[in-house]
Amino acid sequence: EAGVAQSPRYKIIEKRQSVAFWCNPISGHATLYWYQQILGQGPKLLIQFQNNGVVDDSQLPKDRFSAERLKGVDSTLKIQPAKLEDSAVYLCASSLAGYQETQYFGPGTRLLVL
Amino acid sequence: GENVEQHPSTLSVQEGDSAVIKCTYSDSASNYFPWYKQELGKRPQLIIDIRSNVGEKKDQRIAVTLNKTAKHFSLHITETQPEDSAVYFCAAPYTGGFKTIFGAGTRLFVKA
Repeated sequence: EAGVAQSPRYKIIEKRQSVAFWCNPISGHATLYWYQQILGQGPKLLIQFQNNGVVDDSQLPKDRFSAERLKGVDSTLKIQPAKLEDSAVYLCASSLAGYQETQYFGPGTRLLVL
Repeated sequence: GENVEQHPSTLSVQEGDSAVIKCTYSDSASNYFPWYKQELGKRPQLIIDIRSNVGEKKDQRIAVTLNKTAKHFSLHITETQPEDSAVYFCAAPYTGGFKTIFGAGTRLFVKA
């Protein structure tokens, strides 16, 4: 089966600019996750969707980050405006039904904010 | 609550030795405990998981043990090889928020 797809793979922007990331989960997977992984740390959950509804977004900086999951399939994560501390790898993952299952990760988008 | 502690943060072993990484969690209702391996510049990938109805699970050189009473679970790698060098993350569900919490990771170095 095809894995989780993400684009772009790399992005360099200047602070205060905006950026968007795209994720296509494994077909049929109901749960989609966006994580932020800062160098040397574990993945931090930003937002979790179950189909097209939000399960948890408690750690999403809502003044600058937004996310949506279109028709319960693809998802986009946007940052506007970006700050230096947003430099990280943004990982998308999906699981078949819920959060107590294997998560399959995409290759990630490496963001550098200058 | 939402807390998963992982130790040690760094582990260096000689090839052929065993490595053990331990995680503790706080949500007593958790019942699924995965371990992910992340090689440099790559995505995390599941290597083994365990559910709370069993105490141990093995897959060739790797095993996971679970102590629900003490709320900790451990990853055991035997006969380590250089290709085992990576960062290993444990994770546990936080049932109060229907989400998974990851540990901070253990960087394993296997010296040839």
